[in-house]
Amino acid sequence: DTAVSQTPKYLVTQMGNDKSIKCEQNLGHDTMYWYKQDSKKFLKIMFSYNNKELIINETVPNRFSPKSPDKAHLNLHINSLELGDSAVYFCASSQENRGLSGANVLTFGAGSRLTVL
Amino acid sequence: SQQGEEDPQALSIQEGENATMNCSYKTSINNLQWYRQNSGRGLVHLILIRSNEREKHSGRLRVTLDTSKKSSSLLITASRAADTASYFCATPSIGTDKLIFGTGTRLQVFP
Repeated sequence: DTAVSQTPKYLVTQMGNDKSIKCEQNLGHDTMYWYKQDSKKFLKIMFSYNNKELIINETVPNRFSPKSPDKAHLNLHINSLELGDSAVYFCASSQENRGLSGANVLTFGAGSRLTVL
Repeated sequence: SQQGEEDPQALSIQEGENATMNCSYKTSINNLQWYRQNSGRGLVHLILIRSNEREKHSGRLRVTLDTSKKSSSLLITASRAADTASYFCATPSIGTDKLIFGTGTRLQVFP
């Protein structure tokens, strides 16, 4: 069973289009995240939701809109795609372990590679 | 930026050799984590070390943490070709659920 699954794995689209990436986790975790990894492998957090509530919103263009219909799902919708949006987008989830000084250990999906032409 | 930096950026070794990767971070932390990313895959959690620990082992992995120098190292002993991957350190942003990742070290192990 895949713990964190993202679809689609690959997405090729034209500039100006709108696209969505879906994420689901079956781990029962309360918190879900979207990270963006650029061509240099830099990984930056974009959003975090805890029990469907937005708790982290980094400096991300408002063309990016996350949606969490329930705590097992966190989707990412991107409007008016630009060339610079090309990257690999990773979904992740975590369940804070209070026994480890509040450590959040993340479980990642396999990534969705977005290519904007 | 809180983002950690890793050193070296890339490392190539022969099977059987040890690989050491270093991570420096900028703020106070209560724990530090290491993750591995195989090509085309998501990151996988390897090991977590708490701020009151100096060293931790897991199989062929050994992690050290020096909070006075704000640095950590990951040692992989007796490396294998299957260890070829990118390795990232990650530190929590205090008071949030945000995990900040370092710049990564790309390890290539030649058979």
